[in-house]
Amino acid sequence: TQLLEQSPQFLSIQEGENLTVYCNSSSVFSSLQWYRQEPGEGPVLLVTVVTGGEVKKLKRLTFQFGDARKDSSLHITAAQPGDTGLYLCGRSGTYKYIFGTGTRLKVLA
Amino acid sequence: GAGVSQSPSNKVTEKGKDVELRCDPISGHTALYWYRQRLGQGLEFLIYFQGNSAPDKSGLPSDRFSAERTGESVSTLTIQRTQQEDSAVYLCASSLTSPGTRSADTQYFGPGTRLTVL
Repeated sequence: TQLLEQSPQFLSIQEGENLTVYCNSSSVFSSLQWYRQEPGEGPVLLVTVVTGGEVKKLKRLTFQFGDARKDSSLHITAAQPGDTGLYLCGRSGTYKYIFGTGTRLKVLA
Repeated sequence: GAGVSQSPSNKVTEKGKDVELRCDPISGHTALYWYRQRLGQGLEFLIYFQGNSAPDKSGLPSDRFSAERTGESVSTLTIQRTQQEDSAVYLCASSLTSPGTRSADTQYFGPGTRLTVL
């Protein structure tokens, strides 16, 4: 299967808390991307991870690609209301692009 | 503008009517994608164009849906005999390279067309 399962599906936290979002697949993929979508807009790319075990940081966001390249995580430190949105992982398939099921994050001030 | 544009931004139609949605990708982007996003849901892949060709149309939900691209530029998504279940935001994206490469290229999304079928 080429499905990407994300967890949790919904997350509501207070400003300043930490959180982790997971993206899992039963199959190996060559690269994976994380996008964030804000209400009324299209998704915007945050990062691409390519190498198994790779860790990338983007300010308070830390992205990790699993050693076996079947899973990935996104960790947000000290979440802020501006982090609110839909977080999507995604990967290329044959003649298609597959997005994960999405994690809807709400950070309360 | 330099981004992906879509028109119309909103479309309200009656059940049974046909609708045509338009996407203008970023100039020079050879790959173009269509997605459907129902309220509160993730993105459902519909179809991808490499140039003017769509290698796989199996993502289209039914034979009422069709898409074409001309001049390696503008694309139209047509929904015939619309149903209420077709109500959703239809998003278009473009990228420099095609999916299936080792490192997927960045997709740039348009603002979407919100379709409401009454």
